[in-house]
Amino acid sequence: DTGVSQDPRHKITKRGQNVTFRCDPISEHNRLYWYRQTLGQGPEFLTYFQNEAQLEKSRLLSDRFSAERPKGSFSTLEIQRTEQGDSAMYLCASTSGTSPYEQYFGPGTRLTVT
Amino acid sequence: QKEVEQDPGPLSVPEGAIVSLNCTYSNSAFQYFMWYRQYSRKGPELLMYTYSSGNKEDGRFTAQVDKSSKYISLFIRDSQPSDSATYLCAMSAGNYGQNFVFGPGTRLSVLP
Repeated sequence: DTGVSQDPRHKITKRGQNVTFRCDPISEHNRLYWYRQTLGQGPEFLTYFQNEAQLEKSRLLSDRFSAERPKGSFSTLEIQRTEQGDSAMYLCASTSGTSPYEQYFGPGTRLTVT
Repeated sequence: QKEVEQDPGPLSVPEGAIVSLNCTYSNSAFQYFMWYRQYSRKGPELLMYTYSSGNKEDGRFTAQVDKSSKYISLFIRDSQPSDSATYLCAMSAGNYGQNFVFGPGTRLSVLP
């Protein structure tokens, strides 16, 4: 296992389009997090899954954002009706139940909304 | 006031120097403290993780937590040009790892 992977690495879309990102966590990790990071800022928490259950969502996560983890393995983050303010790096991280504070991040998906 | 603050830098030091990176925070409920290194256009990489107050050492890296002052530090000894990156601190109040809060990061340049 080579770590957390994310796809695509880059996405350019026009305002108003829908986009979907995928995250594959480290295989034995049961917790999965999504973050958004803009230039010069640290990652901002968006949402968190334990297995397939979405346990917490940030108030940053407007109703245009939805995340799923259908079988407790990979996760998807969808943004509907994208806006220019959605341009950011979207990061996924995973942790194990035995070391819940050791987060391992993927390389991120860089979204540009034109 | 943001929950977690860091000096954004950039911080430039000569190769071999000891580097001190710091974060302050306002939420006294934070108990878990992490340091990440992030290279440009990459995801953060976990360097150190500590619980509550005290010191932790790992190779050239030492993390310190002073909960009474709400202040954490990361020291890098014998800094190398490959240490040039943005360093992020992160904290959590617990609850099985929910809701980590990150600082904005400090950009470090180690000059050969």
